[in-house]
Amino acid sequence: DAKTTQPPSMDCAEGRAANLPCNHSTISGNEYVYWYRQIHSQGPQYIIHGLKNNETNEMASLIITEDRKSSTLILPHATLRDTAVYYCIVRVGESFQKLVFGTGTRLLVSP
Amino acid sequence: NAGVMQNPRHLVRRRGQEARLRCSPMKGHSHVYWYRQLPEEGLKFMVYLQKENIIDESGMPKERFSAEFPKEGPSILRIQQVVRGDSAAYFCASSPNGGRAPEQYFGPGTRLTVT
Repeated sequence: DAKTTQPPSMDCAEGRAANLPCNHSTISGNEYVYWYRQIHSQGPQYIIHGLKNNETNEMASLIITEDRKSSTLILPHATLRDTAVYYCIVRVGESFQKLVFGTGTRLLVSP
Repeated sequence: NAGVMQNPRHLVRRRGQEARLRCSPMKGHSHVYWYRQLPEEGLKFMVYLQKENIIDESGMPKERFSAEFPKEGPSILRIQQVVRGDSAAYFCASSPNGGRAPEQYFGPGTRLTVT
């Protein structure tokens, strides 16, 4: 699986958009980009995933660059409950494989 | 639709005892994964199972740890002769059967404390 690079921490004001970057410069053509988050002591929560097109769901938007070497997770209106560690993971699609968690980005949303 | 269920949520064992952790996947999911999170560390993959089969156990310690996912009932992660270093949060996840890029849904975890 390709390695990912994320900033260790970020701050965001409540109500503002949180933009979390991820670099995955060695991603292969058949690898998807997944985002999960872990709110303190809880099980990780799936957020969104994509291959090459931008994706949006009720939680977030995922923007993947055209060369697929980086992506951004966007939380459009961050709330205090979005404070968590966010993990960007790439892995082969169309398969059932383990997730390899890195160190993630610790997002702190403040009032 | 109930999520992934794990029990017990907290488990205390003395050194040398056995620990049994149970995981019931989401309805209709037949793929189960176990991960371990040591204090102040990230999650590490342990094992991936389908019904009655171990598919990938590359993250399992060679001794004392075993996992199963029987045809009926929950998946079980078993740790024999626990030691203090086994103290951690153990998370189970399940995946749906289809889809091109199946996401994993995690349970709340079992926190094992070895005294």
